[in-house]
Amino acid sequence: DQQVKQNSPSLSVQEGRISILNCDYTNSMFDYFLWYKKYPAEGPTFLISISSIKDKNEDGRFTVFLNKSAKHLSLHIVPSQPGDSAVYFCAASGGSSNTGKLIFGQGTTLQVKP
Amino acid sequence: DTAVSQTPKYLVTQMGNDKSIKCEQNLGHDTMYWYKQDSKKFLKIMFSYNNKELIINETVPNRFSPKSPDKAHLNLHINSLELGDSAVYFCASSPKPGYGYTFGSGTRLTVV
Repeated sequence: DQQVKQNSPSLSVQEGRISILNCDYTNSMFDYFLWYKKYPAEGPTFLISISSIKDKNEDGRFTVFLNKSAKHLSLHIVPSQPGDSAVYFCAASGGSSNTGKLIFGQGTTLQVKP
Repeated sequence: DTAVSQTPKYLVTQMGNDKSIKCEQNLGHDTMYWYKQDSKKFLKIMFSYNNKELIINETVPNRFSPKSPDKAHLNLHINSLELGDSAVYFCASSPKPGYGYTFGSGTRLTVV
């Protein structure tokens, strides 16, 4: 029972173009969503987050969009750079008994070609 | 000056052995976690401690036992290792539950 899903295992884009990474969730009690970036042999690092009271959050080249009715969020990277090549994990938390547990998707590997 | 450090980074051991993975954070965080990344790449929580108190204990075999001697340390001990325990184990910490995780670089455990 995977509550957070990233259905695209990989994505390849050209440098300078937009990268769009998608994430779907099933638990309507989730109220906080995060994106993490992971390079090989390193731990995930926090990228950007969004609360369920918002539908958009922007930080530099990174924007996260949340569509609660569709239980869908996406991460936009504009413009994409070769250094953005990494695995991106979507994560969610929340609910009445929130203990701080993050539920992660399985990740999408982004390759940005020069 | 690593914020969340795990040792060892790689661990190869035989089935049936007992091993420990150590984690230390120097961020002054109150909450620490163990996550397991399996062969399908999912990151799944195993345990969480807040101020040395166990607050999350997911359905994991009782061969896995966490120990938090103080707020800055959360160790993971595994008894009677099995082939299926092979995975990457990540430690993380946060100022409070669910907020602002910082991950360690992971321990790749291989059971042969």
